Amino acid sequence: EPEVTQTPSHQVTQMGQEVILRCVPISNHLYFYWYRQILGQKVEFLVSFYNNEISEKSEIFDDQFSVERPDGSNFTLKIRSTKLEDSAMYFCASSGLTYRSGEQYFGPGTRLTVT
Amino acid sequence: LAKTTQPISMDSYEGQEVNITCSHNNIATNDYITWYQQFPSQGPRFIIQGYKTKVTNEVASLFIPADRKSSTLSLPRVSLSDTAVYYCLVATGRRALTFGSGTRLQVQP
Repeated sequence: EPEVTQTPSHQVTQMGQEVILRCVPISNHLYFYWYRQILGQKVEFLVSFYNNEISEKSEIFDDQFSVERPDGSNFTLKIRSTKLEDSAMYFCASSGLTYRSGEQYFGPGTRLTVT
Repeated sequence: LAKTTQPISMDSYEGQEVNITCSHNNIATNDYITWYQQFPSQGPRFIIQGYKTKVTNEVASLFIPADRKSSTLSLPRVSLSDTAVYYCLVATGRRALTFGSGTRLQVQP
């Protein structure tokens, strides 16, 4: 069964450093998302991406964040200058053509630890 | 987007049927009811989605009354591996998903 993959599984970085989280969505999917989950808290939406553009973003997704689809398979989330409060699980998700409202496929996540 | 309310936690035993009810009083015409499952340190997993009446798949059933102000996720004969957090969401098209706190289901042997 096709699945969303994410790398790395765990990233440790120092405050102020830039990180890039990588995702490979399911191959025929066209809609891509990033969510995050701080330990013990709710899953929070960050951004959605379609046709090489951001389609929706939350208040969390400020100038510190950016997304890119650098090639036909990868979807990345860049955090420019990490803060301690950016420590969280970051989940990538995708949805495809045969889409039912609300049906998104999530990856296993990248645990980001900012020290 | 319609807010959802569901129990914080539930306990069950292996082999029992579990029903988790969710209320979404302000659901809009274009909204669908969607349920996700999440295990610790894993991404949410789509379980089932419906608009009205009953939907069944290999994992669960979803019951939605005519007024659509609530829904019930039914898990038949749960096992220990069904211990997880279950989220009820109201979704519109491909828009962002808004997760609440979910229902923490604990299945005992």
